[in-house]
Amino acid sequence: AQSVTQLGSHVSVSEGALVLLRCNYSSSVPPYLFWYVQYPNQGLQLLLKYTSAATLVKGINGFEAEFKKSETSFHLTKPSAHMSDAAEYFCAVSRSGAGSYQLTFGKGTKLSVIP
Amino acid sequence: ETGVTQSPTHLIKTRGQQVTLRCSSQSGHNTVSWYQQALGQGPQFIFQYYREEENGRGNFPPRFSGLQFPNYSSELNVNALELDDSALYLCASSLASSGNTIYFGEGSWLTVV
Repeated sequence: AQSVTQLGSHVSVSEGALVLLRCNYSSSVPPYLFWYVQYPNQGLQLLLKYTSAATLVKGINGFEAEFKKSETSFHLTKPSAHMSDAAEYFCAVSRSGAGSYQLTFGKGTKLSVIP
Repeated sequence: ETGVTQSPTHLIKTRGQQVTLRCSSQSGHNTVSWYQQALGQGPQFIFQYYREEENGRGNFPPRFSGLQFPNYSSELNVNALELDDSALYLCASSLASSGNTIYFGEGSWLTVV
């Protein structure tokens, strides 16, 4: 069984400040991990994914995440927040290996950016 | 732009009715999955189709059913609609060799009254 916990349903940061969105996972097998962003009234856009290569993963829009097996974490960071980053962010986990496309999502973290 | 298109974008149905949602996968993608996202929640996996066969299902009752066609487009059917079925329904497509990258469409908003 797999699960994802996102700490903090709502995070507010000032424009230019560090963004840190937390994600912890539980998986009985080596996981694949993902971060998706959802803008209001839109679908999900993939930010980045971890598939057992480099533990530090760089994504789009300046975001990156680090896989820490010992902490079962995959936190999302961005050095400097921009107004356009305001959205909801979802962490997700799936089983590793080809054919494993069932994603288990966290409940999401809504990011607000204060001017 | 993910290349995954869904229709309709919004619809309203009455409790007890049936609904069909449609999805056109990204070109060449042979796997399609459907997710339900209730307001304020993360998406939940409904089922997945690979080469026209269902090969994975989440915790949803049998009144949620689907089809995948030879051109890899897909349908989600929901019978005997309940108020709690009101949600955003997301279609996602992927290619078996892509390392599990899954591309989502914009979704279909279903309201059951």
